[in-house]
Amino acid sequence: AQSVTQLGSHVSVSEGALVLLRCNYSSSVPPYLFWYVQYPNQGLQLLLKYTTGATLVKGINGFEAEFKKSETSFHLTKPSAHMSDAAEYFCVLDASGGSYIPTFGRGTSLIVHP
Amino acid sequence: DSGVTQTPKHLITATGQRVTLRCSPRSGDLSVYWYQQSLDQGLQFLIQYYNGEERAKGNILERFSAQQFPDLHSELNLSSLELGDSALYFCASSVGVAGVYGEQFFGPGTRLTVL
Repeated sequence: AQSVTQLGSHVSVSEGALVLLRCNYSSSVPPYLFWYVQYPNQGLQLLLKYTTGATLVKGINGFEAEFKKSETSFHLTKPSAHMSDAAEYFCVLDASGGSYIPTFGRGTSLIVHP
Repeated sequence: DSGVTQTPKHLITATGQRVTLRCSPRSGDLSVYWYQQSLDQGLQFLIQYYNGEERAKGNILERFSAQQFPDLHSELNLSSLELGDSALYFCASSVGVAGVYGEQFFGPGTRLTVL
């Protein structure tokens, strides 16, 4: 069965510090992986996705993620946090072979301190 | 503004009742997706329609049903409501069948409260 685990329901960083949000997955087929962001009182917005090809994926707002098959991970990083990055982040796995039947992680709330 | 509209914004009803949530996709988008976000279950994909046809199904209960109309708007019907159905229901749309290669645009959601 496919599953996705986000380590840490809350991550707190200082403005300007590195952001690292962890995501591990379990899939019996080649996975497709996504990161979405949800700002307060809003719907989700796609940050980036991995389908095939290059394992280092760059997204919007300076975020990037690296697909590591050996570690079954897809961690999200940003070199320097900004106050506007405070939001809920979801790691999403699709193991349906590309039809998009997603499994969502529980989410990580990113808190950015001035 | 994603261009996806959902009505109503808030809905309060009682257990055992039936409600209908409405979604209008972005102009030109053929696919509509429904999601449920609750404290207990987190975010769950419910169902996808493409150009009027059911395309993919996730964790949608039998008490729930959806359809996409010829004008491409979609409705999610929730019946025999239970307290646990209280959640935020999101609709999203994309241009084509999309799968993993397309981007979905999310609406602001409908908050359902079952008392």
